[in-house]
Amino acid sequence: AQKITQTQPGMFVQEKEAVTLDCTYDTSDPSYGLFWYKQPSSGEMIFLIYQGSYDQQNATEGRYSLNFQKARKSANLVISASQLGDSAMYFCAMSRAPGTASKLTFGTGTRLQVTL
Amino acid sequence: ETGVTQSPTHLIKTRGQQVTLRCSSQSGHNTVSWYQQALGQGPQFIFQYYREEENGRGNFPPRFSGLQFPNYSSELNVNALELDDSALYLCASSPGTSGGRLEQFFGPGTRLTVL
Repeated sequence: AQKITQTQPGMFVQEKEAVTLDCTYDTSDPSYGLFWYKQPSSGEMIFLIYQGSYDQQNATEGRYSLNFQKARKSANLVISASQLGDSAMYFCAMSRAPGTASKLTFGTGTRLQVTL
Repeated sequence: ETGVTQSPTHLIKTRGQQVTLRCSSQSGHNTVSWYQQALGQGPQFIFQYYREEENGRGNFPPRFSGLQFPNYSSELNVNALELDDSALYLCASSPGTSGGRLEQFFGPGTRLTVL
């Protein structure tokens, strides 16, 4: 079985600062995919970034980067230059194989609040 | 390109009733997954449909059932509603089930309240 743990229920960050959202995972699958999604108050889940377990380099997508440490089973999201619009719930998720749209297992989320 | 749409937006039912939620997948996507998100929790996988066939199911009882139509739109049916079924139901579509980077694109969800 797969499990995602997000230990930060809530985080505050000042506008223009960087913030790291923690995610650890547990799986017995030899390969897997890791995802981060943003959920604003409207409810829609917005895809941010993806990392395959065999990818050699950490994924980056604009202001988002994923700090993947396989030995530690962690996949932290780093948001650089935070903006007010980044205030939302953030979910870490994993799939059973890299690059698949198979069942996603989600964590409980971290609520990020960006302040002036 | 039209994104994933869901209807209705909100729904109120009473315990024991049945409900049908609908999802239209993004153009070109043949895979639809359904998730239940209880308040304060992350989404939980209910099941996935690929080309009109169920392609994986999470830990949900049989009273949760689904369909996928030839145009790849999908329905989620829940019978004998219980109070704990109150949640946001999310539909996600993707262009396939394997190969390449296949993030799922989510709809805005249907908020179901069971009284």
